[in-house]
Amino acid sequence: DAGVIQSPRHEVTEMGQEVTLRCKPISGHNSLFWYRQTMMRGLELLIYFNNNVPIDDSGMPEDRFSAKMPNASFSTLKIQPSEPRDSAVYFCASRQNGELFFGEGSRLTVL
Amino acid sequence: AQSVSQHNHHVILSEAASLELGCNYSYGGTVNLFWYVQYPGQHLQLLLKYFSGDPLVKGIKGFEAEFIKSKFSFNLRKPSVQWSDTAEYFCAVNALNAGKSTFGDGTTLTVKP
Repeated sequence: DAGVIQSPRHEVTEMGQEVTLRCKPISGHNSLFWYRQTMMRGLELLIYFNNNVPIDDSGMPEDRFSAKMPNASFSTLKIQPSEPRDSAVYFCASRQNGELFFGEGSRLTVL
Repeated sequence: AQSVSQHNHHVILSEAASLELGCNYSYGGTVNLFWYVQYPGQHLQLLLKYFSGDPLVKGIKGFEAEFIKSKFSFNLRKPSVQWSDTAEYFCAVNALNAGKSTFGDGTTLTVKP
């Protein structure tokens, strides 16, 4: 299995631009998580899905952030408009039997 | 709500020293417990996990952890660290009736060669 696949691996954009991060979970895993990691705030859970349904989005910072999971094999995290404070590494993870499997992460830099 | 506390934010050791990283959680019910490791510039990956049975769990690379239910603890240990163990270590709890895993703030381990 290829593991959790995220794209892009790196993105540099300017303030105000829309950013879309993508995630393909491991086949058969029915829970998907989006995390954000920064030096200042550490690892933060943004949102998670069970069977494609958003369960808890209390970690989403504000309305500029949105996430979707249209099917079991794909999820997106969108930031519109982006701001410099959104610069972070965004990790997607899928879960099976309680264990999280993380993707390589998407490093976002907003100038 | 469940929470996880990692007592040490940054630990610095010399090679061959013994390691113990503390992890305490707060949740009254049945839990699954995990330690994840994040090497510099990489993603988190599982080091070891406890679901049930023997409370002393052995993981990869010589790591082990002991679940002490009465203390709500799941401390990570390694008898002799190596320079390659330099990484950030996260303790995580997944309560069986809660959908999400809760992570501690992480402990950065620096091993000096």
